[in-house]
Amino acid sequence: EVQLVESGGGLIQPGGSLRLPCAAAGFAFSSYAMSWVRQAPGKGLEWVSAISASGGSIYYADSVKGRFTISRDNSKSTMYLQMNSLRAEDTAVYFCAKGPAAYYDTGGHFDYWGQGTLVTVSS
Amino acid sequence: QSVLTQPPSVSGASGQRVTISCTGSSSNIGVGYDVHWYQQQLPGTAPKLLIYGNNNRPSGVPDRFSGSKSGTSASLVITGLQAEDEGDYYCQSYDSSLSSRVFGGGTKLTVL
Repeated sequence: EVQLVESGGGLIQPGGSLRLPCAAAGFAFSSYAMSWVRQAPGKGLEWVSAISASGGSIYYADSVKGRFTISRDNSKSTMYLQMNSLRAEDTAVYFCAKGPAAYYDTGGHFDYWGQGTLVTVSS
Repeated sequence: QSVLTQPPSVSGASGQRVTISCTGSSSNIGVGYDVHWYQQQLPGTAPKLLIYGNNNRPSGVPDRFSGSKSGTSASLVITGLQAEDEGDYYCQSYDSSLSSRVFGGGTKLTVL
């Protein structure tokens, strides 16, 4: 059974930093692209970032480019999202999501999702 | 304002059929990018993949759920509505102008 478990969320002041891990189990983590998707309170889903299976290809939404960094450690079956210069509009539940292939197909989908971790940016 | 437009809400009686539309443009659905559908039973909880590649169901998704795409729009059809189908439904595609995967604003389904 595929399991994706996000952690690291919490209350952080504007301008602060936070690192979110996503621990994976139940599948060959090193063989699949992964993504982060967020959902602001009462709002819809927004794709944030993606990384290929090897980590060699990385993609960001314009809203986070230059502030967030995605990475992965295949030896630990864990993906990370380093979030710097946080803003109030970054407040959201952050989900990690698995892709169906090793490469990140821009037109593709997310086949499994984690339960999410809440990040609140407020003073 | 989402790049993909969905009705905010739909409803139907138990056992009936509902359709959720997803309208895009020539920079996403209209240019040929696939549409995928997700169900989120409670806000802030894990979405579940329902339909991928316009009309394909993952293993375990009942055949009561079906998808289609035509032109700049796509639709999700749910037949034989059940109480457990209540929740929010999102379409997703890719937008070449934004260079980003994009979602619809979501549709809340109520089973009467």
